[in-house]
Amino acid sequence: KNEVEQSPQNLTAQEGEFITINCSYSVGISALHWLQQHPGGGIVSLFMLSSGKKKHGRLIATINIQEKHSSLHITASHPRDSAVYICAVIGGNQFYFGTGTSLTVIP
Amino acid sequence: NAGVTQTPKFQVLKTGQSMTLQCAQDMNHNSMYWYRQDPGMGLRLIYYSASEGTTDKGEVPNGYNVSRLNKREFSLRLESAAPSQTSVYFCACNRDRSYEQYFGPGTRLTVT
Repeated sequence: KNEVEQSPQNLTAQEGEFITINCSYSVGISALHWLQQHPGGGIVSLFMLSSGKKKHGRLIATINIQEKHSSLHITASHPRDSAVYICAVIGGNQFYFGTGTSLTVIP
Repeated sequence: NAGVTQTPKFQVLKTGQSMTLQCAQDMNHNSMYWYRQDPGMGLRLIYYSASEGTTDKGEVPNGYNVSRLNKREFSLRLESAAPSQTSVYFCACNRDRSYEQYFGPGTRLTVT
């Protein structure tokens, strides 16, 4: 069973497009974490949120606790946004990770 | 500030060989973690350590041992490597009362 489901699994976009990546989860959570994994393999934290919405530059993350759903939006996408985006939820002091969404932005 | 460092970056082992993956953090965090990442699967927790001197099993601990000798360092040992342990291994840490994790660069291990 997968406690965290991401969609789509793969996404190709033209530079400049608005992108949405979705994350649904089935467990009660304390917080949700969006991570970015670069083609070289390194993983960096983008957002940690437990309610509402957060914005950092061209990235926006939202969460709906009642619907157990979060979205990561990228506005004005750029080829350097090409990466795997991973959703992780923290529930009962356990971390549950999605399998990631692979994003390719074409110039 | 190096953050979280891991050594080695790459390693090839033969079945049955042993090795230790090293992880160190200079962020003064209590909690440290070892994960493995395999194609088509999310990160899976091998072991974690809530503080110096304590360790607990995660989701996939079989075939591994860990050691948390001090606050900075958390090592992962494969006593007798198997091809099923071919994976990318990540170390991570987070400070108390925060779930935001900081990851090392990963170790790509191949067992032939």
